[in-house]
Amino acid sequence: EIVLTQSPGNLSLSPGERATLSCRASQSVSSSYLAWYQQKPGQAPRLLIYGASSRATGIPDRFSGSGSGTDFTLTISRLEPEDFAVYYCQQYGGSLYTFGQGTKLEIK
Amino acid sequence: EVQLLESGGGLVQPGGSLRLSCAASGFTLSSYALSWVRQAPGKGLERVSGVSSSGGTTFYADSVKGRFTISRDNFKNILYLQMDSLRAEDTAVYYCAKRTSERAFDIWGQGTMVTVSS
Repeated sequence: EIVLTQSPGNLSLSPGERATLSCRASQSVSSSYLAWYQQKPGQAPRLLIYGASSRATGIPDRFSGSGSGTDFTLTISRLEPEDFAVYYCQQYGGSLYTFGQGTKLEIK
Repeated sequence: EVQLLESGGGLVQPGGSLRLSCAASGFTLSSYALSWVRQAPGKGLERVSGVSSSGGTTFYADSVKGRFTISRDNFKNILYLQMDSLRAEDTAVYYCAKRTSERAFDIWGQGTMVTVSS
């Protein structure tokens, strides 16, 4: 099973700043099968990025994904107040789907 | 509007059973693979079960294998999760989710809370 480790666990930033979230896999992941989600309290996760770098429908272009192999990154170019939430990466490989433990993005 | 709506959660004693349902609207369930993903209070996401579009292939996490059964009724446009021999550690919000061809989950239900406690 591929383990995804997200860092940092918590990130405190101010609106307007740039956020960089990391997702590292225990073994190589197909870029086609790496996704990012946003989850706000009391809500279901929302798909942001799939295929490592493709934005899902309706996702603002301040969200971008990159990476390959074992290292992937979600970047939020200029934080808006509504972006403060928990972010998860997820991969598919070997018939298994796994999620990272999450990064909590907090307002500084 | 494309959406999923779960129901069937609640409070159950250890060893008890529940059946969760997930109804789709705005799209045809039969065209897609579907999964159940759970989230224990204050914890992360765990995919516990999945089913192919035809229903012919299923997956269960080791934590629920032999106790949970996933099924789908493509005519009624509903996904099910039968949960037996429930344990305290099964306490979580259970989400149904639609899978894309890129193996991501693009449509999620609002979740249904399952609490296993005496």
